[in-house]
Amino acid sequence: KNEVEQSPQNLTAQEGEFITINCSYSVGISALHWLQQHPGGGIVSLFMLSSGKKKHGRLIATINIQEKHSSLHITASHPRDSAVYICAGENSGGGADGLTFGKGTHLIIQP
Amino acid sequence: KAGVTQTPRYLIKTRGQQVTLSCSPISGHRSVSWYQQTPGQGLQFLFEYFSETQRNKGNFPGRFSGRQFSNSRSEMNVSTLELGDSALYLCASSGGVLTPQQETQYFGPGTRLLVL
Repeated sequence: KNEVEQSPQNLTAQEGEFITINCSYSVGISALHWLQQHPGGGIVSLFMLSSGKKKHGRLIATINIQEKHSSLHITASHPRDSAVYICAGENSGGGADGLTFGKGTHLIIQP
Repeated sequence: KAGVTQTPRYLIKTRGQQVTLSCSPISGHRSVSWYQQTPGQGLQFLFEYFSETQRNKGNFPGRFSGRQFSNSRSEMNVSTLELGDSALYLCASSGGVLTPQQETQYFGPGTRLLVL
């Protein structure tokens, strides 16, 4: 069974700090999605990546295929970045089982 | 373009009842996936429909079923509800050219189901 593990589970930081959330995954996962979930439940897909690095605004996602590790970075963090960040692995065996999700990182940015 | 909509947003049922949840995808999207989110298990994939056919299925009992209509709208049904079915049920739509995990998915706001 494919697995995705995130760390830390909870993270509190001050506005302006550089944030890093980590995701490790098992063999059998070929790509990673990063999702953001705000209080109330709405989920937004941030990134989908299978190699290298992607950037969107203050968000940067990287993936190291050899080490089976991905990171999500937030630069110049802001209270509106407070949310749960979830990484999800794409199962390389084809369509079965959809995505395998991590438990999420609950991020709080204090003003 | 209107986003993914789900109805109802909140629902309270009792054990043994059945429930039907609805999801309207973004116009033009042909794939709809359903997910269950609970505090203990996190997000879990239920199933995916594409062109009115179930294309992928997660590891859930047969009490969980779904269907998709010709206009890509999808419904999810849970029969003989159990307390453990209390969860946030999310649907997501994508173009459908590739499998959902290979495409950006657009999530709805979810339906929060409470089973008493």
